[in-house]
Amino acid sequence: GENVEQHPSTLSVQEGDSAVIKCTYSDSASNYFPWYKQELGKGPQLIIDIRSNVGEKKDQRIAVTLNKTAKHFSLHITETQPEDSAVYFCAASSLSGGYNKLIFGAGTRLAVHP
Amino acid sequence: DAGVIQSPRHEVTEMGQEVTLRCKPISGHDYLFWYRQTMMRGLELLIYFNNNVPIDDSGMPEDRFSAKMPNASFSTLKIQPSEPRDSAVYFCASTLSGARNSPLHFGNGTRLTVT
Repeated sequence: GENVEQHPSTLSVQEGDSAVIKCTYSDSASNYFPWYKQELGKGPQLIIDIRSNVGEKKDQRIAVTLNKTAKHFSLHITETQPEDSAVYFCAASSLSGGYNKLIFGAGTRLAVHP
Repeated sequence: DAGVIQSPRHEVTEMGQEVTLRCKPISGHDYLFWYRQTMMRGLELLIYFNNNVPIDDSGMPEDRFSAKMPNASFSTLKIQPSEPRDSAVYFCASTLSGARNSPLHFGNGTRLTVT
């Protein structure tokens, strides 16, 4: 089955700097790669996703890149703000029973210091 | 849109007791998922339903865990008997099919502590 590894486990940056989180996956058949943000006491929320037919996607200060050959994808946050502080999870989809079952990485705790 | 609603938010119980967690998915969503989150194992998929029917329960850890979805607006996850190692945050999530890669909408979770 699919296995997703995520690095780093913790990341500390100064406000205004960029943050990069990287993930690798094992199943070459995976074709959907979402990123979720989890704030304290809340459930994960989708912030951006990318499909395998696209190499890069951007939404304001957030961008995701995908390298299918190397089986890795990354989240880039530019001009970080304190409200970006949260735990971020990458995921990859593995087909099961007609639905693309998501397998999550272990998470990255991002701290943005003013 | 009220989002996915889970209850209770916190549950503290003694080992051996029965625990029931509840979930109300977003209206109209036809997939419902139960996840467990721990520091050691991260987010684990326990079971998911499509149109109230369990599709994949391969993530359910043991026979002590059971899940039901009696109708489109309600699901339960039951642990009987509970053990300290079941302590975790349990999330329910729902989504709408039509696009196979539709995003999951998570509830705010139930933090379970078994003493």
